[in-house]
Amino acid sequence: QVQLVESGGGVVQPGRSLRLSCAASGFSFSSYDIHWVRQAPGKGLEWVADIWYDGNNKYYADSVKGRFTVSRDNSKNTLYLQMNSPRAEDTGVYYCAREISGRRYLDAWGQGTLVTVSS
Amino acid sequence: QSALTQPPSASGSPGQSVTISCTGTSSDVGDYNFVSWYQHHPGKAPKLIIYEVNERPSGVPDRFSGSKSGNTASLTVSGLQAEDEADYYCSSYAGSNTYVFGTGTKVTVL
Repeated sequence: QVQLVESGGGVVQPGRSLRLSCAASGFSFSSYDIHWVRQAPGKGLEWVADIWYDGNNKYYADSVKGRFTVSRDNSKNTLYLQMNSPRAEDTGVYYCAREISGRRYLDAWGQGTLVTVSS
Repeated sequence: QSALTQPPSASGSPGQSVTISCTGTSSDVGDYNFVSWYQHHPGKAPKLIIYEVNERPSGVPDRFSGSKSGNTASLTVSGLQAEDEADYYCSSYAGSNTYVFGTGTKVTVL
């Protein structure tokens, strides 16, 4: 069955770096765009970033642009989110989710990984 | 990229209906028929329940329905069941390959 499993979360100091991973299985990973969506404690969902199926196009929310980088390795069925210079407001659960390219909705999600930015 | 506006809470007794609104702008909800809704039980993966305003994925009960008028989309849950108690989020494509989510609505089954 379709599975997306996030990992790499933890406590990171402001200004340091952290890399999240999302391992996919049960579907043709290289055929789907993949998104990162986050949820701050007690808050709603926030779209973070999107990478196209072939990795050639990447898009970011203004709140993370220039600090976060999304990438993928289709040979490993894995998505990454490199978080540089994290801030306290980046704290939250990070989900990866897939999109049939161009359909503009997320039809499968992972269970998330918690990132805490704190000194 | 301001969040879409949803009521913080909604409630109903089993068997009743509840409708959740999702208000955006002419740059997102009002400009695209790419409104989707997600059900989220805390601690679990969010689940797609409506896409493209009013389409249901396979396996989602027809008790869930969506609509849109102008800059406001709506989700109706008919015949409320205990398992419908969850947080619900709308989302809209906002152009230039960006997306915006709603503020979320906690649905309580009384």
